[in-house]
Amino acid sequence: ETGVTQTPRHLVMGMTNKKSLKCEQHLGHNAMYWYKQSAKKPLELMFVYNFKEQTENNSVPSRFSPECPNSSHLFLHLHTLQPEDSALYLCASSPQGLAGGSSYEQYFGPGTRLTVT
Amino acid sequence: GENVEQHPSTLSVQEGDSAVIKCTYSDSASNYFPWYKQELGKGPQLIIDIRSNVGEKKDQRIAVTLNKTAKHFSLHITETQPEDSAVYFCAARHNYGQNFVFGPGTRLSVLP
Repeated sequence: ETGVTQTPRHLVMGMTNKKSLKCEQHLGHNAMYWYKQSAKKPLELMFVYNFKEQTENNSVPSRFSPECPNSSHLFLHLHTLQPEDSALYLCASSPQGLAGGSSYEQYFGPGTRLTVT
Repeated sequence: GENVEQHPSTLSVQEGDSAVIKCTYSDSASNYFPWYKQELGKGPQLIIDIRSNVGEKKDQRIAVTLNKTAKHFSLHITETQPEDSAVYFCAARHNYGQNFVFGPGTRLSVLP
């Protein structure tokens, strides 16, 4: 596997379910991100992890819980979601997580299409 | 904080013509400007980027120009092909942060 991979690619869950999204990057990067992409809206940054430490929580409801066990893996745990949470969830990674870094490129995974019923 | 605007929201061109998408940003400290292409059912793919110490960058049929004074940057696609049809996003990032701020996207349709 190369690049950024995400599983599952599609997920349908009820509002009382608990599920997890997984992201893995094979690029040796230090920073990982979760984004939400809804129809006709800009990409919304949710969480940022830098060297496994969470550095950004963009006012995301607590029903979304991220986990970053190492620099290559990122999870998004989902619990008691609402129908309006249905969206494409994108994971991304970038080489240099620290401010002032010289390498900024950010690479995205294919996304998980989430439908909450 | 940074705010990125993008125009137009939709763009249709005939195959072989050029397409231009423009973005403006608000934070003068931003110094890295990537462009992403997102095809249906896929994640955004980085297609070209430019840093603030450069005014123009070209890669085959794709070019990006940056005007730091006016705080705007543009994507130029020449000799468009049907496979260029996608949603294009611009973004900006500043040197003292690691977060990217994205524009709302432009849906480009290349008509055969």
